[in-house]
Amino acid sequence: DTGVSQDPRHKITKRGQNVTFRCDPISEHNRLYWYRQTLGQGPEFLTYFQNEAQLEKSRLLSDRFSAERPKGSFSTLEIQRTEQGDSAMYLCASSSGDSPRGETQYFGPGTRLLVL
Amino acid sequence: SQQGEEDPQALSIQEGENATMNCSYKTSINNLQWYRQNSGRGLVHLILIRSNEREKHSGRLRVTLDTSKKSSSLLITASRAADTASYFCATGEILTGGGNKLTFGTGTQLKVEL
Repeated sequence: DTGVSQDPRHKITKRGQNVTFRCDPISEHNRLYWYRQTLGQGPEFLTYFQNEAQLEKSRLLSDRFSAERPKGSFSTLEIQRTEQGDSAMYLCASSSGDSPRGETQYFGPGTRLLVL
Repeated sequence: SQQGEEDPQALSIQEGENATMNCSYKTSINNLQWYRQNSGRGLVHLILIRSNEREKHSGRLRVTLDTSKKSSSLLITASRAADTASYFCATGEILTGGGNKLTFGTGTQLKVEL
């Protein structure tokens, strides 16, 4: 399967701990996105990378959140000092960047985070 | 914040019937996409329609876009039990570098009964 993969699929942590999630996009996709989805809601945009450059960050992304894409391939999303409100599904998506008017984003299975 | 609002919030139909879901949004868009989500396969892209297009088809799916009314509809014909899922519309905003920020609605939960 050459789709977007995310690791881990589930994470349970205690409040105050740091967590890191990994996303491997579809090979050769130069755009990578992170979204967050809470129960009963649609996904909300967090941040976007074009190759290794982080070009957009949502105001939802507090200073406890940091994302990297060091070599323009995989990406990591770290949450420091987790809070119960961080409990959500964290989704990664990638796209090929071949259309100037918007292209399909392919989503991974997500990492479900539960903060106790 | 959610840009799109899907209507209805929940829909239950019999297999073989058609299902229509509507989406309204607030600001101007570059494109609008529909996604399906269920526990088995995650979020799956269905159709992308650009702001200069009015209608697109893909298999049993038909999407319309009315930018003057800021609304879109998704029609699924001859529904199957496997179509049971949540359906989301997402409006696209072009970002620096050409990326596409998707703003999702709250979704329509479709249940197709045998």
